[in-house]
Amino acid sequence: GAGVSQSPRYKVAKRGQDVALRCDPISGHVSLFWYQQALGQGPEFLTYFQNEAQLDKSGLPSDRFFAERPEGSVSTLKIQRTQQEDSAVYLCASSLVRDTEAFFGQGTRLTVV
Amino acid sequence: SQQGEEDPQALSIQEGENATMNCSYKTSINNLQWYRQNSGRGLVHLILIRSNEREKHSGRLRVTLDTSKKSSSLLITASRAADTASYFCFLMTTDSWGKFQFGAGTQVVVTP
Repeated sequence: GAGVSQSPRYKVAKRGQDVALRCDPISGHVSLFWYQQALGQGPEFLTYFQNEAQLDKSGLPSDRFFAERPEGSVSTLKIQRTQQEDSAVYLCASSLVRDTEAFFGQGTRLTVV
Repeated sequence: SQQGEEDPQALSIQEGENATMNCSYKTSINNLQWYRQNSGRGLVHLILIRSNEREKHSGRLRVTLDTSKKSSSLLITASRAADTASYFCFLMTTDSWGKFQFGAGTQVVVTP
């Protein structure tokens, strides 16, 4: 595709509900990143994939957060039993390889009520 | 934790003036990238500078990198109201495989 696409753009979830956020990276990009951005803050690293391999998940805040990229293209970030503190914008980025420009999607704004 | 720190946190200038912001970091990097984020919108890639480069230009943007001081600067010349945004530096570090870190950002306001 022309750019990184994320869906949905906005998600309102009731506390305790499970959510799934989707990221379509730029076609052919090997590296894929997820970030969490709270209001007024810089993005915080969550996890990194190289193709289908999740090489770093040290930024995931709890075991309620799970990410996958089973075929090395589309990625899904799943949050189980959402809490109010999970409210943030979730950003996905991809790059051709690790050491090149990373392009970001528009993000998914998650609001937990 | 955020490994890059932008300075200043906020900057207010008038159209036509230059804006300079800095990014300091503590670890070794492969490259450093600058991004712009307008209110409520995604991150737009501005420029990438590699660890073996000292300066790069792109239009009205000039980026410098001093690896001995572990710092980078972004200069926007002849600023415009449309340059109003938050600017972030993004570090591709060598000490972790994929944990590419952002700073907290510099908020720039350009008034007509």
